[in-house]
Amino acid sequence: DGGITQSPKYLFRKEGQNVTLSCEQNLNHDAMYWYRQDPGQGLRLIYYSQIVNDFQKGDIAEGYSVSREKKESFPLTVTSAQKNPTAFYLCASSPGTGGGAETQYFGPGTRLLVL
Amino acid sequence: GEDVEQSLFLSVREGDSSVINCTYTDSSSTYLYWYKQEPGAGLQLLTYIFSNMDMKQDQRLTVLLNKKDKHLSLRIADTQTGDSAIYFCAELTDSWGKLQFGAGTQVVVTP
Repeated sequence: DGGITQSPKYLFRKEGQNVTLSCEQNLNHDAMYWYRQDPGQGLRLIYYSQIVNDFQKGDIAEGYSVSREKKESFPLTVTSAQKNPTAFYLCASSPGTGGGAETQYFGPGTRLLVL
Repeated sequence: GEDVEQSLFLSVREGDSSVINCTYTDSSSTYLYWYKQEPGAGLQLLTYIFSNMDMKQDQRLTVLLNKKDKHLSLRIADTQTGDSAIYFCAELTDSWGKLQFGAGTQVVVTP
């Protein structure tokens, strides 16, 4: 059963704490993405990775960090530098980039709340 | 502001057709997408259209693309209560796969 999984579904962060959101895919996709969604807004790109061991900043990367050590995994860390982390975080993947392989498929999301 | 614009809300009666509109700004966009989001869930890919096409039909869904006006629409025939959701249009703005999303249109289907 192929797909994208995100865990946990809900995550609570205390002030000054770093938290890590998990994203795993078994679709054999090369590219992976992290988005942030705030109420009434579209999705904004945080980070993306086109291939293992490589990633680039998106539009709102400040206060976030990522790693891409394995093809199937792209965890996102929300650091204490992110002052307004409460949001719905969505992970996506695509087969590749270019030549029509850019179609992105999304996971179920993680809702992050600040205590 | 958003490069991709959508109306925020649409109310439709069950059994009628829904039309969701979207305007985009990047004339070089190669692909345009429609995603559906149900409450508390991720985005589900509904359909997409390549920029050299004017229309694409997939069961109850019809996508129309007017490149001259940079206008994209999604028509849902015979709208059902299960179609109640937020619908996002997105344009592919970069060769590596960057998507620019609209703010989403909340569709409410009434009996």
